[in-house]
Amino acid sequence: AQSVAQPEDQVNVAEGNPLTVKCTYSVSGNPYLFWYVQYPNRGLQFLLKYITGDNLVKGSYGFEAEFNKSQTSFHLKKPSALVSDSALYFCAVRAPGGATNKLIFGTGTLLAVQP
Amino acid sequence: AAGVIQSPRHLIKEKRETATLKCYPIPRHDTVYWYQQGPGQDPQFLISFYEKMQSDKGSIPDRFSAQQFSDYHSELNMSSLELGDSALYFCASSSQQGRFSPLHFGNGTRLTVT
Repeated sequence: AQSVAQPEDQVNVAEGNPLTVKCTYSVSGNPYLFWYVQYPNRGLQFLLKYITGDNLVKGSYGFEAEFNKSQTSFHLKKPSALVSDSALYFCAVRAPGGATNKLIFGTGTLLAVQP
Repeated sequence: AAGVIQSPRHLIKEKRETATLKCYPIPRHDTVYWYQQGPGQDPQFLISFYEKMQSDKGSIPDRFSAQQFSDYHSELNMSSLELGDSALYFCASSSQQGRFSPLHFGNGTRLTVT
């Protein structure tokens, strides 16, 4: 079964420092991976996706993610964190088969950026 | 750009009552998904519809039903509500023409069952 794991419940980083939010995946076949961000009382906003091609994927708000097949990881990164980046981040994988693009989410990582 | 619209934003119901949540997808999106997010939890897939037909089913209780209408909007009907149904309910939409197109989520309906 397809799944993603986010090993950290919370990540703390100082403003201006680089940030990494970790995600590992377990899939059979080619992985289709996504990152979403959720602000309090809001829906999930799409940040970026990896389908195929370049291992470094660039997304919204200066975020990027690196697909690493050997380590089965898809970590979210940003070179310089902003206080406004503080939110809940979800890694997701597209579920196999079926007629839809249904996503299976990880448990989420709360990113706290201190000024 | 138009986004996914959900109504109502907040809903308070008592146990054993019924509730109807509505979702209006992004124009030209043909697929709608419903997710349930409990407090401090990740979103759990409930059900999806493609071209007005149910396309996938997740952990949706038998007390819940949903449908997609001819204008592609969708409604989630919840009966015999229980305290445990209190959660944030998200609708998302996508276009199947873009096979790996991302899901676009609405801001959710917060359901509180008392």
